[in-house]
Amino acid sequence: SAVISQKPSRDICQRGTSLTIQCQVDSQVTMMFWYRQQPGQSLTLIATANQGSEATYESGFVIDKFPISRPNLTFSTLTVSNMSPEDSSIYLCSVEVAARGNTEAFFGQGTRLTVV
Amino acid sequence: GENVEQHPSTLSVQEGDSAVIKCTYSDSASNYFPWYKQELGKRPQLIIDIRSNVGEKKDQRIAVTLNKTAKHFSLHITETQPEDSAVYFCAATINTGGFKTIFGAGTRLFVKA
Repeated sequence: SAVISQKPSRDICQRGTSLTIQCQVDSQVTMMFWYRQQPGQSLTLIATANQGSEATYESGFVIDKFPISRPNLTFSTLTVSNMSPEDSSIYLCSVEVAARGNTEAFFGQGTRLTVV
Repeated sequence: GENVEQHPSTLSVQEGDSAVIKCTYSDSASNYFPWYKQELGKRPQLIIDIRSNVGEKKDQRIAVTLNKTAKHFSLHITETQPEDSAVYFCAATINTGGFKTIFGAGTRLFVKA
């Protein structure tokens, strides 16, 4: 299993500013994933963060808006840049680890972001 | 890329009845299908999963079926209880050199006492 500590748990930010979200995992993992979950909606993959290389972004998400760092195998950050109210959402980090013969996704607690 | 569709979006059942949630996927290379339960204000948690070489899997009141030919899989909850009320997400995982999971839109299950 994996235990993920994500912070901050919530924040209220002014439009035009940036917020950096941190995730710390209790074990080394090759890939970390960042998701966005808007209220009552599903989880949308923003990007995959690989240690030692640039993150891989999904369609609709760009590095300038969501820069990601992955300095080592247990830590990653996601920055939401130049925020607007449309960025208000829950952001979750996730890792996939071998568990019970399969891979299982574990999630951080989520960061509830409100942009005003 | 992979696309996962999930139905229904909302499901209301009486306590003790069964609940069925259905998902379809588009990429035949997906080989792992987890189901997650997300209670209000909490993170998603895995409840059951199935691999593409298995047709059915059961864990107490929860079962999942997979039809690889038709590319659909279903979650069955029997003898539902109020604590089963939550949002359930199906997902399909594909190995593209690393695992990538795509989630369905979610089903909000209400179990009425």
